[in-house]
Amino acid sequence: GNSVTQMEGPVTLSEEAFLTINCTYTATGYPSLFWYVQYPGEGLQLLLKATKADDKGSNKGFEATYRKETTSFHLEKGSVQVSDSAVYFCALTDSWGKLQFGAGTQVVVTP
Amino acid sequence: NAGVTQTPKFQVLKTGQSMTLQCAQDMNHNSMYWYRQDPGMGLRLIYYSASEGTTDKGEVPNGYNVSRLNKREFSLRLESAAPSQTSVYFCASSANSPLGQGYGYTFGSGTRLTVV
Repeated sequence: GNSVTQMEGPVTLSEEAFLTINCTYTATGYPSLFWYVQYPGEGLQLLLKATKADDKGSNKGFEATYRKETTSFHLEKGSVQVSDSAVYFCALTDSWGKLQFGAGTQVVVTP
Repeated sequence: NAGVTQTPKFQVLKTGQSMTLQCAQDMNHNSMYWYRQDPGMGLRLIYYSASEGTTDKGEVPNGYNVSRLNKREFSLRLESAAPSQTSVYFCASSANSPLGQGYGYTFGSGTRLTVV
């Protein structure tokens, strides 16, 4: 079956540092890939998505590229802010649109 | 504002009590979902409803029942709550495409449930 594996947290960074969160997947067919973000005390929000190989999703300074050859969808941001402190979830959808999440990675950005 | 509304936001139950978590969406989405979120385990799917009138089990359905009341509403019922059901519950909806075109989900803000 499908699965999503992402790096364990917490990831602790200083403000303006570069952030990378690794995500790899196994899936049959051609899933769509997503990054969701959960700020403290809130529900999940879609951060970005990519629907086919080599697509790059981007939003709020975050980027991720759908790499079919390495089955990866790593999240990056060049300069993080304290407000980026959150839990980040990598996810994929199967051909019927059902979403499957990774375990989540907590990111803590300090001033 | 359009979105997914969950009630209640917080609840404390005694072991053996029952309760229903309510969820409603106003985006005309076909599919709705219930997830639970536990530390270190991410979100796990409890039940989902691909369309009005259908429901299916997800990864962790034991101890729960659901009702897709109409296209807007999808409720989750705990018939006899257990401490293992202490969790944060999220409802979500999506405009499904059978071609898998990548429609993302919209989540509610969650219900934090404690069973003592």
